Amino acid sequence: TQLLEQSPQFLSIQEGENLTVYCNSSSVFSSLQWYRQEPGEGPVLLVTVVTGGEVKKLKRLTFQFGDARKDSSLHITAAQPGDTGLYLCAGAFNTGANSKLTFGKGITLSVRP
Amino acid sequence: EAGVAQSPRYKIIEKRQSVAFWCNPISGHATLYWYQQILGQGPKLLIQFQNNGVVDDSQLPKDRFSAERLKGVDSTLKIQPAKLEDSAVYLCASSLEAGEPLEQYFGPGTRLTVT
Repeated sequence: TQLLEQSPQFLSIQEGENLTVYCNSSSVFSSLQWYRQEPGEGPVLLVTVVTGGEVKKLKRLTFQFGDARKDSSLHITAAQPGDTGLYLCAGAFNTGANSKLTFGKGITLSVRP
Repeated sequence: EAGVAQSPRYKIIEKRQSVAFWCNPISGHATLYWYQQILGQGPKLLIQFQNNGVVDDSQLPKDRFSAERLKGVDSTLKIQPAKLEDSAVYLCASSLEAGEPLEQYFGPGTRLTVT
């Protein structure tokens, strides 16, 4: 069973601060995704990274895929209260035609006004 | 484009009762997934359908859980009989097709409380 470790588990910051959170595994991902989930809703896909070393930006969010494709980071610049939510990483491990996603436990982010 | 629809949104039952959840995926999406998300955890895959066939049900507790996807569109997930530890949010997701990279679209989930 492939495991994804996300850290930190909880983060509470002031509006305007920057933050970085992490997703790590001992296994190599064939692709990795980040989702944000708000209370009472399902996860919403933010980004998919496929190539080692890849960096993608989504407004104030920057996603990086490690060179060895075993880890990823999410950096948020000038956090806003609207960024509050549960951030989940999900890795796809190459199990052939029926590859599936394995989710981490998530990072609960609270941005105080 | 309409998203993934699920019903009911909330359900409270007593242990040993049965319950069923319904999911309507995004139109044209061949692959459908049911996940269980326990409070404080990430979603755990229960079952994956490709059209109306089961691709992966290795983590489905088959003694009490069952799922079907008749006609390759809507799906139902049933629990009979429910246990206290089944309290969770049940998420349905769909994707255009299986394979890499997987990009899944989730419904709002059904929050089940077993008392």
